[in-house]
Order: sequence, then C-alpha cells, then structure tokens
Amino acid sequence: GQSLEQPSEVTAVEGAIVQINCTYQTSGFYGLSWYQQHDGGAPTFLSYNALDGLEETGRFSSFLSRSDSYGYLLLQELQMKDSASYFCAVFYGQNFVFGPGTRLSVLP
Amino acid sequence: EADIYQTPRYLVIGTGKKITLECSQTMGHDKMYWYQQDPGMELHLIHYSYGVNSTEKGDLSSESTVSRIRTEHFPLTLESARPSHTSQYLCASSVSEYEQYFGPGTRLTVT
Repeated sequence: GQSLEQPSEVTAVEGAIVQINCTYQTSGFYGLSWYQQHDGGAPTFLSYNALDGLEETGRFSSFLSRSDSYGYLLLQELQMKDSASYFCAVFYGQNFVFGPGTRLSVLP
Repeated sequence: EADIYQTPRYLVIGTGKKITLECSQTMGHDKMYWYQQDPGMELHLIHYSYGVNSTEKGDLSSESTVSRIRTEHFPLTLESARPSHTSQYLCASSVSEYEQYFGPGTRLTVT
C-alpha cells in the first residue's frame, strides 16, 4: 500500500517561516498535493507538484524530490489565520491517499 | 469559487436505520469522491466516480454504496447504520485528480 508520514504538530510565531515535511513510501504516483483544513471546515487545495522542484503560490511554496521520496510545504510570513491542519496527498492509479496531517499553531 | 453541497450537515440516527447522504456539485466535474474523516485524523477514500454510471471503491473498506446517475449528483447510502459508522463524511469533485473541491461535510452520529 501507500504510506505517507508528516509531523503531527508544528508551532511557530506570526511573521515566521515554517516548513511542513512529508515523506512517502510509494512508487508510481503522479504527484504530491497539499491541502489546508481549518477546524470544523473542509479541506481546501493549496498546491501540487507533478515534477521535482519548487512551486510557488503567494506565501505558500511546495517542493518535491522523487529521488528522496520527500516533499514539503513552506509557509512564509505566517499569519494567525494559517493555524490549521495541513495534509499532503498522493495520487496514484485511480486512488488518492492523504497523509496523517500536521497541525500548525501560529502564536502571536 | 467551488460549488459543492452536502446535506444534511448533521445527522443523528439510530442503529439499523438506512440513510442517504446527499452530494451535489454545479461545476460539471466528471470526477467525484467520498471520504471518511474522524476528528483530527486523515481522510480515507471510500468511493469515487469518474463519470455517469462509473463507481469504484477506494482504499478504505466501507459498507456504504454509491450511485452516479447524473453528473452533478453522487449520493452515498448506508443500508443499516451502526455506531462504527459515526464519523464525518466529505464529498469532493474535481477536473483533475490532484485538485479536489470539497463540500462542507456531513457529521454522522449513530446511536
């Protein structure tokens, strides 16, 4: 099966930069996605990496290295509203697998 | 802005009852998905559809069934609810697999 690992919790202060890592044990997948989910809310799409390298979308960037089976989400200029859970996910075949999620707490 | 709707938002029901969770989207997406998520946990794919009359089971074993008679509608049915079915059920749709739009979810409690 497919397996993804993420840190369970990360804490940072407003204005800081934080990196959320995602390691996976899978092969043959098409790319790595990232989703944000606030408490009580639905997941919302943030970013997708089909190829190795860095993808930048405003304050958020995502990175993928297939050779290292590793990716990360980088959040810059943290704001209080960024406090949420962040999930990496891989799509392979016709299936979609989410990681366990990382809960980010942004402190004032 | 994504337009995907789920009803009911909250449901408390007794063991053994049959229930149908509704999901509709107005974006014309061919791909639709059902996920189960317990509080603070990851999402598990239970069903997906790549178009009308196409349905498949996901990784998570589920006693639910789905149908896709119309592009915009993807209901999920539990023939006989059990306490172990208590969870949040999220519906999603997409054009591409990697960018999915999620509905607000249905929080189901089976007593």
